[in-house]
Amino acid sequence: DVKVTQSSRYLVKRTGEKVFLECVQDMDHENMFWYRQDPGLGLRLIYFSYDVKMKEKGDIPEGYSVSREKKERFSLILESASTNQTSMYLCASRPGQGAGEQFFGPGTRLTVL
Amino acid sequence: EDQVTQSPEALRLQEGESSSLNCSYTVSGLRGLFWYRQDPGKGPEFLFTLYSAGEEKEKERLKATLTKKESFLHITAPKPEDSATYLCAVQASGTYKYIFGTGTRLKVLA
Repeated sequence: DVKVTQSSRYLVKRTGEKVFLECVQDMDHENMFWYRQDPGLGLRLIYFSYDVKMKEKGDIPEGYSVSREKKERFSLILESASTNQTSMYLCASRPGQGAGEQFFGPGTRLTVL
Repeated sequence: EDQVTQSPEALRLQEGESSSLNCSYTVSGLRGLFWYRQDPGKGPEFLFTLYSAGEEKEKERLKATLTKKESFLHITAPKPEDSATYLCAVQASGTYKYIFGTGTRLKVLA
């Protein structure tokens, strides 16, 4: 079974802090994604990585950056956390190009005070 | 614009009362349609992938179907443990992006 893990289930940070969210997948998947999920808005794509060191902006990249130094690990960075970044953050992966389902991690509930 | 709409937003069923959830989509060339189940505070769990109109997939009490404009998730004789939010997503041709609906919150009462 595909396993996607995220570094924290719950995180509380203060405004202005730099925040790191880590995601690791164990199935040698090429593609990895970061989403945020807010009530009534569904899942919105923040960033996508199609290979090591490769990334593309999603629909809402402002205030975020990403890093993918190794194939199995995809990090989301909040450069200076703000209260409007309080959300559920979900990481996903999938094997490679073309059609196919994504596999999600358990999520990180981030609260910015 | 590519779009996914799920209905109803919320659904309450008695145990054993069968029903269907709807996912309507507009997309410029469908690459795949995906159903997920999400429990509160957890990540979505993959259920089904459908690729072309007329395709059907089944798993226990769930059956997913696909037409050119919509997909249905049929739940037969549901149990309380089927209570969750069900998400639908589509992937359009020529893109890596997935467009998600806002989900249907299903509550099955014992």
